Amino acid sequence: QVQLVESGGGLVKPGGSLRLSCAASGFSLSDYYMNWIRQAPGKGLEWISYISSSSTYIKYADSVKGRFTISKDNAENSLYLQMNNLRAEDTAVYYCARNLGDFDYWGQGTLVTVSS
Amino acid sequence: EIMLTQSPDFHSVTPKEKVTITCRASQNIGGNLHWYQQKPDQSPKLLIKFVSQSISGVPSRFSGSGSGTDFTLTINSLEAEDAATYYCHQSSGLPRTFGQGTKVEIK
Repeated sequence: QVQLVESGGGLVKPGGSLRLSCAASGFSLSDYYMNWIRQAPGKGLEWISYISSSSTYIKYADSVKGRFTISKDNAENSLYLQMNNLRAEDTAVYYCARNLGDFDYWGQGTLVTVSS
Repeated sequence: EIMLTQSPDFHSVTPKEKVTITCRASQNIGGNLHWYQQKPDQSPKLLIKFVSQSISGVPSRFSGSGSGTDFTLTINSLEAEDAATYYCHQSSGLPRTFGQGTKVEIK
């Protein structure tokens, strides 16, 4: 069955970096668009990036453009989010989700806390 | 950016009641509107895709309708397990956006 498992979250100081991973199983990343979506504590959902099945098309929300980089390794069947120059407002649970239109499968999320 | 506005923000309802949540888009998004359910401390779960298409495993009491800019999620005969926050989401344009959420509480 389809499963997405995020990892790599934690506590980081403002200006620091973190790399999130999303391990996929039950399907191949080479067949699907993948997304990162975040949710600040007690807040709603914010889409932040997607990457196409072939990695040809990559898009970011303005809030993270120039600081975050999405990538994937189809051989490892894993999705990544490199986050640099982190700010307090980046504190959130980060989810990976599958698909271009509807997000049909989501991981359980990984918490990123940016604080001094 | 396409804004999605949900109403109401909060709904307190009794079991077996019918619940209606609306989602209004700031521009025409055609049929590219999806609904999710998020229970406390869980990740969102897809309920309805492309306005009204049902999802395998989702109870038939959940249904969607609408087009263009106005959309509705209906929960017929609410059950206690439906207590959650519901979000609409558009995939018509970038950035992808979500409504602010509607919290449904069981009286």
